[in-house]
Amino acid sequence: QSVLTQPPSVSAAPGQKVTISCSGSSSNIGINFVSWYQQLPGTAPKLLIYDNNNRPSGIPNRFSGSKSGTSATLAITGLQTGDEADYYCGTWDTSLSAGVFGTGTKVTVL
Amino acid sequence: EVQLVQSGPELKKPGESLKISCKGSGDSFSTYWIGWVRQMPGKGLESMGIIYPGDSETKYSPSFQGHVTISVDKSTYTAYLQWSTLEASDTAMYFCARAKLVPLTKLAFDYWGQGTLVSVSS
Repeated sequence: QSVLTQPPSVSAAPGQKVTISCSGSSSNIGINFVSWYQQLPGTAPKLLIYDNNNRPSGIPNRFSGSKSGTSATLAITGLQTGDEADYYCGTWDTSLSAGVFGTGTKVTVL
Repeated sequence: EVQLVQSGPELKKPGESLKISCKGSGDSFSTYWIGWVRQMPGKGLESMGIIYPGDSETKYSPSFQGHVTISVDKSTYTAYLQWSTLEASDTAMYFCARAKLVPLTKLAFDYWGQGTLVSVSS
């Protein structure tokens, strides 16, 4: 079972904005950096955000990340049909001395 | 270009052993942590453990400690995930992934293998 909690699903119309929350604790998000991943059906995950709010080369600025306390948020603006996927947060848990992922959120474009 | 190429799908019986692989590219392989991630059918990502090829330091997630073995052969740029006794509940897709060159407190996997499907059934 994951130590990071995400909503199971979010949805919005094309062009709109969605936000995905990731709730953790003082041993993971509270003291370490958060990354976000997109997993399209039948493919390997892809890094979207690292160090809380940085985008790798090639990731559009429609994707943004933020962190406050023991929670993090991924925002997707200008939603496109190609954004339909599962999204996961991830971080290091210092107490577990292990990486952890969130429960995952399915984004649906209406 | 960084590539992680994983071994092919496996169909095994309960009680059998298995070792799957993840081959990296380039001699910088030894300087990046490599992680293994499980995804059971229709479920989310689970971090299994992570290994540093330079000195084989390994950190296991508590849920997987004692159930799998993570190893590496830095001379062939290959990481391994091994089971001595498979169970039906080990049926899943397994991904290897390379962590960015930063401290683990900034853990982020920037390159992923294509995944290895392991099916365990009698």
